[in-house]
Amino acid sequence: DVKVTQSSRYLVKRTGEKVFLECVQDMDHENMFWYRQDPGLGLRLIYFSYDVKMKEKGDIPEGYSVSREKKERFSLILESASTNQTSMYLCASTPLVWSSYNEQFFGPGTRLTVL
Amino acid sequence: KQEVTQIPAALSVPEGENLVLNCSFTDSAIYNLQWFRQDPGKGLTSLLLIQSSQREQTSGRLNASLDKSSGRSTLYIAASQPGDSATYLCAVGTGTASKLTFGTGTRLQVTL
Repeated sequence: DVKVTQSSRYLVKRTGEKVFLECVQDMDHENMFWYRQDPGLGLRLIYFSYDVKMKEKGDIPEGYSVSREKKERFSLILESASTNQTSMYLCASTPLVWSSYNEQFFGPGTRLTVL
Repeated sequence: KQEVTQIPAALSVPEGENLVLNCSFTDSAIYNLQWFRQDPGKGLTSLLLIQSSQREQTSGRLNASLDKSSGRSTLYIAASQPGDSATYLCAVGTGTASKLTFGTGTRLQVTL
């Protein structure tokens, strides 16, 4: 079974803090993704990475950065957390760079609250 | 820009009923379509993936169909059970790296 794990289930931070969300997958997947999920807005793609040290912006990258130093690990960084970044953050991975059979596997999510 | 719509937003059915969840998308140039289940406060569990060349996929009591030309997919759940209660999300894969665009989901409640 594919396993995607996220470092924290719940996180509370203060405005202005630098926040790191970690995601690890154990199946040697090429692609990794970060989404945020908000009521009424659904899941929105923040950033994705199709190889080590490679990254591309998604639909809502403002206020976020990412790091992928190793294939299995993809980190989302909030440089200076703000209250509008309070959300559920979900990490996902897929096996191949491009394929119509690219099933996405999700982690359990991190609920981040910024006070 | 791809837009994905799911109707209805919420549905309540008695146990044992067969039901259909709908998903529509605006751009038919997709690579695949994936149905997920999400329990409250949890991550997403993949249910079915349909490649763009396929018409349907089945897994147990679930059957998903895809009509790319009309921009529609349906998820059919047979003989619903209380354990099926969850939010069901549809997502279409487009572009490089199979990025997914999600609908906002259908919240299903199956009552005893």
